[in-house]
Amino acid sequence: AQSVTQLDSQVPVFEEAPVELRCNYSSSVSVYLFWYVQYPNQGLQLLLKYLSGSTLVKGINGFEAEFNKSQTSFHLRKPSVHISDTAEYFCAVIKGNTPLVFGKGTRLSVIA
Amino acid sequence: DGGITQSPKYLFRKEGQNVTLSCEQNLNHDAMYWYRQDPGQGLRLIYYSQIVNDFQKGDIAEGYSVSREKKESFPLTVTSAQKNPTAFYLCASSITGTVNYGYTFGSGTRLTVV
Repeated sequence: AQSVTQLDSQVPVFEEAPVELRCNYSSSVSVYLFWYVQYPNQGLQLLLKYLSGSTLVKGINGFEAEFNKSQTSFHLRKPSVHISDTAEYFCAVIKGNTPLVFGKGTRLSVIA
Repeated sequence: DGGITQSPKYLFRKEGQNVTLSCEQNLNHDAMYWYRQDPGQGLRLIYYSQIVNDFQKGDIAEGYSVSREKKESFPLTVTSAQKNPTAFYLCASSITGTVNYGYTFGSGTRLTVV
């Protein structure tokens, strides 16, 4: 079964600084990878996804992620964060027709 | 606008009572899912359904039950057998057979046992 590890439970960062949220997955077969964002007391919103093709994928709100098959990673990056990026971010993986499996989340706190 | 509606937003339950959380979608999605969210534990799958009148247990199905009588609706019942039901519950839906669009999530129901 696949699993997802988000290496940092909390990431504080100053406004306008770059940020990287790390995600590693384990699977012996091809998978599809997603990043979701959750604002307080709300549902999840899709940020970006990797299905195939270019390993660098761009999403909403200026976020991007790079799929690295050899390192089984799918790290999320943003070159300059804003206060409004403060939220919880979830990495998720899906294989075939099985349901999405989520990591435990990373809480990003942007400091003014 | 199409989307998923979860109700109520907040729910309080006395110990020993069953309670049902509603999830309705008008996206014409075949598959629907229930996840439980606890602080620091991410989202854990409770039940999912890929077609009407059929559903499968997820990783933490004990103490929960579901039904899927209509394509649009996938209610979740939290029974008195669930030892620690206080959590944030999220419903989602997706198109079967493709991952191109990911899942669409509702805005959640926060259940508190009092």
